[in-house]
This record gives sequence, structure tokens and C-alpha cells, in this order.
Amino acid sequence: DGGITQSPKYLFRKEGQNVTLSCEQNLNHDAMYWYRQDPGQGLRLIYYSQIVNDFQKGDIAEGYSVSREKKESFPLTVTSAQKNPTAFYLCASTSRDRVKGYTFGSGTRLTVV
Amino acid sequence: DAKTTQPPSMDCAEGRAANLPCNHSTISGNEYVYWYRQIHSQGPQYIIHGLKNNETNEMASLIITEDRKSSTLILPHATLRDTAVYYCIVRVTTGTASKLTFGTGTRLQVTL
Repeated sequence: DGGITQSPKYLFRKEGQNVTLSCEQNLNHDAMYWYRQDPGQGLRLIYYSQIVNDFQKGDIAEGYSVSREKKESFPLTVTSAQKNPTAFYLCASTSRDRVKGYTFGSGTRLTVV
Repeated sequence: DAKTTQPPSMDCAEGRAANLPCNHSTISGNEYVYWYRQIHSQGPQYIIHGLKNNETNEMASLIITEDRKSSTLILPHATLRDTAVYYCIVRVTTGTASKLTFGTGTRLQVTL
């Protein structure tokens, strides 16, 4: 079945280290997105990409970086510049016509120790 | 994008219809209304979307008022598994730039 795979499900990082979260989709979707969710809050957009080799900053891009070298993959790097990285990270994708809405992955919970 | 307003929480008895309201008084003519839900610690799940007409699928019905300033998501026979946070979002679906902005949603608690 087609879907979005995020890995790992849980991730622990030492303060000051960079860490990369994986997001892979086999839905042949053009656009991909990264969101951050803090406890009791809605989702906030970090970065998004409409096509390969192109991406735009979302509302809270500082301290994060992304790449889109392949249509299927949109990894997110949480850098040491991100002041408060502990959160639940969600990846999503959608087709160009967005007829069926956005498909989300199951998320990665990052904890800085 | 237009802002949406939802009640923070609602309760519903199992087997009854759950009616979740959403206000979007500044919606533009080309903005669709989307509904998603999120069960604890999972990714949001697409439920339904519409522009002007009422919509129905296997999960729910979406009723949009004639002036499009508000809408209601209806779960016809709520079950315990429908307990989740429900998000109402309005968004343009044309053009090259597209992103969804999530508010804090409505926490629906289905009880026995």
C-alpha cells in the first residue's frame, strides 16, 4: 500500500548535535511538508517543497534545514541552532491537484537530553 | 489564508451524531474547507473537504452554509474510536504555493 514512512519513531539527541529525520513517500506526490507539534498545540509549518530541488521556508524554519533531491524523499535536519527542538515532527505529502487532501506520516518524537 | 474558529472541546455519546462547528467568516471565494482529525500521537488523517456544496463520504458529512462563513462536520454515528482532535482548515487549492495552517482544533470525546 502507498503511504508515507517516517523514521525513527522516537529519537533522542544530545544538546548541540544535529539530527536528521527521514520522510519517504511512495504515493508519487509532488509536494511534501514538514510540521512541528508541541504538546496541546496545533501543527506549525517548518518547510515545504512543491517539486524536486526546490523548497520554501514555512512559519518556523529557523534552526532547521531540508533537501529534496528525489521526489520520494524530504529529510529534515534539526540543527544545533534550534533552541527548543524537543517536539513531535510530522511529514506530509500531497498530489499537485490536492483532490484527496494531504497524507501524513505517523511522526517522529524528538527529545533532546 | 482565512482564519478558523472552533470550540476547544465537545462531548458526544456513542451512537449519536457528532456535530462539530467551524467559523471561517473571512473565507475567500476560491478557498476550500478541509477537515482532518488527529488521534493522540499519530499523524492527522484527512476526513473530507468542500467548496460550496455539502459533501458526504464514508467517514463524514460536511455542511457548508450558503454564505460559506461557517461549516459543520457531522459524524453520523460516533464511536469511541472517533475520539480525537478535529481540525477545520481553509485553503486555496490552486496555484503553486500551498500549505495548510492548523489551529488548535476541537477535542471530541466520545463516551459510553
